[in-house]
Parts: sequence; C-alpha cells; structure tokens
Amino acid sequence: AQSVTQLDSHVSVSEGTPVLLRCNYSSSYSPSLFWYVQHPNKGLQLLLKYTSAATLVKGINGFEAEFKKSETSFHLTKPSAHMSDAAEYFCVVSEEFGNEKLTFGTGTRLTIIP
Amino acid sequence: ETGVTQSPTHLIKTRGQQVTLRCSSQSGHNTVSWYQQALGQGPQFIFQYYREEENGRGNFPPRFSGLQFPNYSSELNVNALELDDSALYLCASSLSPGSNTEAFFGQGTRLTVV
Repeated sequence: AQSVTQLDSHVSVSEGTPVLLRCNYSSSYSPSLFWYVQHPNKGLQLLLKYTSAATLVKGINGFEAEFKKSETSFHLTKPSAHMSDAAEYFCVVSEEFGNEKLTFGTGTRLTIIP
Repeated sequence: ETGVTQSPTHLIKTRGQQVTLRCSSQSGHNTVSWYQQALGQGPQFIFQYYREEENGRGNFPPRFSGLQFPNYSSELNVNALELDDSALYLCASSLSPGSNTEAFFGQGTRLTVV
C-alpha cells in the first residue's frame, strides 16, 4: 500500500525567505511523486512530478523538490517566498500503473507574512 | 484554467436523497477520475473511468457509482446520502491510463448534506 505523510499541517514564512514543505512517502514499488497546490476556490494545480528520472525536480513558479530514496522523502522548496504562494499544498504518490490512482497527503497550509 | 468543468458548483441535499454530479473532461482526454475532499483533508480517490468502463475503485461503498459517456464526460452518483458525504468532489481528466501524464482537475462541486 502507498501513503504519504506531510509533516507540517501549517507553515508560516516571511515574504522573501525560503520555503520548506516536508513530505515522507511509503510505497511498495518505485513510486511517482507529485506536489499539487490548491488556492482558495480554485482547482488543484500540478507544481511538479518525479517519475524516476532526475532526483532533483524543478517545477513551476520557482518550486523544486528532491527525491531521496534512502530517506523516503520528497520535500518541496522555494528559495524566496512570494505573497501569491499562500495556498494549500499536497504531496501525492502514485504507484498503480494502469489507473494512476493518486494518494494525497493531508496537506500543508502555507501562510506568507508580509 | 484547465479544460475540466464541473457542475453544479454548489448544492445542498437532504440526508437520504440522491445526487448526480457532472464533469466534462479536457479535450483529447479519455480518462476521468473522481475524488472526495472532506474539509481539512486531502482528496481521496473514489474511482476512475476509462473508455466508459470503471478502471479502479477506492474504498467507497457501492452507493457511490459512476458513468462515462462516449464523449468522455462523466457523472458521479451518490445514493442514500449521509451527513458525512458533505465534501468537495473533484473530477480529474487525463490521457489513457499508463500514459504517465498529468491529471487536470476541475474546480469541484461542494456538496452539503443536511
């Protein structure tokens, strides 16, 4: 069975400072890992995905994540937070090729302090 | 904005009633997945439809059922509504299962059961 654990339910950072959202995964196979963002009253948007190519994955809006198999982690980072980054972020795992069932974490709410 | 549209955006139903939610997939996508997102939680996979056939199901009772039409649009039906069915229901469309491509989400239908 696959699962993800988002280690922080809420993260607050000041505008212009680095962002770190932590995610650990559990998977029986080589997983595909994703980060999605959900802004209020908007649909889920894919930030980036890892599918067994490069372990450092670059996404949209300056976000990136590093896949570390030894630590079963897939943390999301951004060098400098912007006010528009305030949203809910979900770490997601998929291992069932054939239907791409996505298993979501419980989410991390990112607050940006002006 | 993705090309995935859901209707209605909001609705209120009474316990015991039945409800139908609708989803139009992005052009060229033949796979639709449905997710339930309870308040403060991550989305949970309900089921997926590929070329009008169910292609995988999550841990939801049979009163949750679906359809996919020849134009690849989809419906989610829930019978005998319970208070715990109150949630945001998300539809995602993608290319064929196993294609390892991005799933595009609609903005969701917020269902309230009273």
